[in-house]
Amino acid sequence: EVQLVESGGGLVQPGGSLRLSCVASGLNFNGLTFSNYFMHWVRQAPGKGLVWVSRIFGDGSDTSFADSVKGRFTVSRDNAKNTVYLQMSSLRVEDTAVYFCVTGFPGYSLGYWGQGTLVTVSS
Amino acid sequence: QTMVTQEPSFSVSPGGTVTLTCGLSSGSVSDTDFPSWYQQTPGQAPRTLIHSTKTRSSGVPARFSGSIVGNKAALTITGAQADDESDYYCMLYMGSGNWVFGGGTKLTVV
Repeated sequence: EVQLVESGGGLVQPGGSLRLSCVASGLNFNGLTFSNYFMHWVRQAPGKGLVWVSRIFGDGSDTSFADSVKGRFTVSRDNAKNTVYLQMSSLRVEDTAVYFCVTGFPGYSLGYWGQGTLVTVSS
Repeated sequence: QTMVTQEPSFSVSPGGTVTLTCGLSSGSVSDTDFPSWYQQTPGQAPRTLIHSTKTRSSGVPARFSGSIVGNKAALTITGAQADDESDYYCMLYMGSGNWVFGGGTKLTVV
């Protein structure tokens, strides 16, 4: 069974920083391992829709970000630990959301989802 | 900036058929946008239903199907059931390592 477990969410003041982690398990099947998967971060503000945030290649060699977080967020991964990270800085009130870690999937889509971790930016 | 559009809400009777659409504020949706669909019930993480326009993810019932209809991607539910009452999101690949979700459709089965 594939499991993605996010952690690191919490309450932070505007302008602060936070690092989210996502540990994956159960991805070793069909000849694939964690390092074969793109990994994405998607967020959802309270009562709002899904917003794509970031993607990182399986080997970590390329990253991309939504315009709303570009220059403030970075993404990285440690394939030896089956873990992906989202480093968030210069946080704004509008970054308040549940952040989901998601695997990439064939056809430029999303596959397996974590349960999410809540980030609240407030003074 | 191009936006992805979805109906805000839709209603279907139990056993009925409903088609939700996913369009672009400028232009047409095609297979090369790799449309995908996600289902989310309140308080839960989303679930992947469809990728690459029409390929169902493992375990997704056959009553869910994806297609291109006119200039939009479409998700059709044939024989809707009560537990299909959810929010449905489409997502398009916009190129250059960027993806965009639609605003979501709240489906009521009544």
